[in-house]
Amino acid sequence: SAVISQKPSRDICQRGTSLTIQCQVDSQVTMMFWYRQQPGQSLTLIATANQGSEATYESGFVIDKFPISRPNLTFSTLTVSNMSPEDSSIYLCSVDRGGGASTDTQYFGPGTRLTVL
Amino acid sequence: GENVEQHPSTLSVQEGDSAVIKCTYSDSASNYFPWYKQELGKRPQLIIDIRSNVGEKKDQRIAVTLNKTAKHFSLHITETQPEDSAVYFCAASLNTGGFKTIFGAGTRLFVKA
Repeated sequence: SAVISQKPSRDICQRGTSLTIQCQVDSQVTMMFWYRQQPGQSLTLIATANQGSEATYESGFVIDKFPISRPNLTFSTLTVSNMSPEDSSIYLCSVDRGGGASTDTQYFGPGTRLTVL
Repeated sequence: GENVEQHPSTLSVQEGDSAVIKCTYSDSASNYFPWYKQELGKRPQLIIDIRSNVGEKKDQRIAVTLNKTAKHFSLHITETQPEDSAVYFCAASLNTGGFKTIFGAGTRLFVKA
């Protein structure tokens, strides 16, 4: 499986500011996803990051709040904009198995723990 | 859209006993069902998966069964060990020209030594 890294691993931010989270994969992958996991909760899909086009957002998530970039097949960023304490969560990047063909098996990055004061 | 329900939310077993976690899904077009284990403070790790053309799959102490007609699938862990203690998530994946995976709410498993 691909090796996935995320930066930062954690951050504490003031409300009203923005944070950009980076996801780097050591091999090319077709599908990249961003999830949110609130404390003690399940994984909620925010959006699918599409290479070379706009991300596809799930219901309840909008581009203005969570802009996403996917400039190539190994990298994506998620920005949490105009943060409020309700945005405090773990944000996880996920990728498919890679190898040049899209598969439905997903692997997760280590996550970014965000606290908004 | 797809909805995945998972039960129980918490499960406590004695070491050596079996543990069973059950999930149901709503969209009959879902065709891939992975299970993830998440230890405290760590990322979810894929432990086993099953596709809709298979009814059962086993990997050592872990097995998964799928009933497509009833739209439910289950995780079975035998001979549980304390290191099996974690949160387990079931998921259902739908391929719509790119796939999307919906997760259950999770089951917190405690294995008592």
